[in-house]
Amino acid sequence: DIVLTQSPDSLAVSLGERATVNCKSSQSVLYNSNNKNYLAWYQQKPGQPPKLLIYWASTRESGVPDRFSGSGSGTDFTLTISSLQAEDVGVYYCQQYYSTPSFGQGTRLEIK
Amino acid sequence: EVQLVESGGGLVKPGGSLRLSCVASGFSFSNAWMNWVRQAPGKGLEWVGRIKSKTDNGTTDYAAPVKGRFTVSRDDSKNTLYLQMNSLKTEDTAVYYCSTGVGWGQGTLVTVSS
Repeated sequence: DIVLTQSPDSLAVSLGERATVNCKSSQSVLYNSNNKNYLAWYQQKPGQPPKLLIYWASTRESGVPDRFSGSGSGTDFTLTISSLQAEDVGVYYCQQYYSTPSFGQGTRLEIK
Repeated sequence: EVQLVESGGGLVKPGGSLRLSCVASGFSFSNAWMNWVRQAPGKGLEWVGRIKSKTDNGTTDYAAPVKGRFTVSRDDSKNTLYLQMNSLKTEDTAVYYCSTGVGWGQGTLVTVSS
């Protein structure tokens, strides 16, 4: 089974500043035949289901603000929020779908 | 618009059974791979199981903690996904979501307690 480890566990960032969340996979999630990384990022706010932000490691879901971006390949991935807004507070999860799906443990993002 | 509505949660004693349902609309359910994901109180997301579309043989996969106790099934004629949960344990207490990956339901709470 693929294990995803996120860092940090929690993060406090000032409004307008950059926030970065990392996700490391125990094995590569890059499928060589199509050169796609089977990695997604979700945002979850209190009392709500998760919301898909990014898939294929770097493709933004429709309607997601462009301040959210994903990068990385193979085993190391990053979610970046370029200019933190108040509504971005929540918990962020990476998920791999290369094999039977699994989630990272989550990163809690707060306003400093 | 993708809509997923779960039902069937509730309070059950350890060792008991429960069946969750998820009614889907707004997309081609029969062509979708469907997942169950749970979230224990105050904890992170845990993938539970999935069922592939019939065109992909309709096979199922399960997370290790539920394998042999939980069964995912689907009725494409009713656009409905199911999760049969047997031999429930206190650690199965969680909100259970059905998901396509993009779309998620609001979840249904399962509490396993004596």
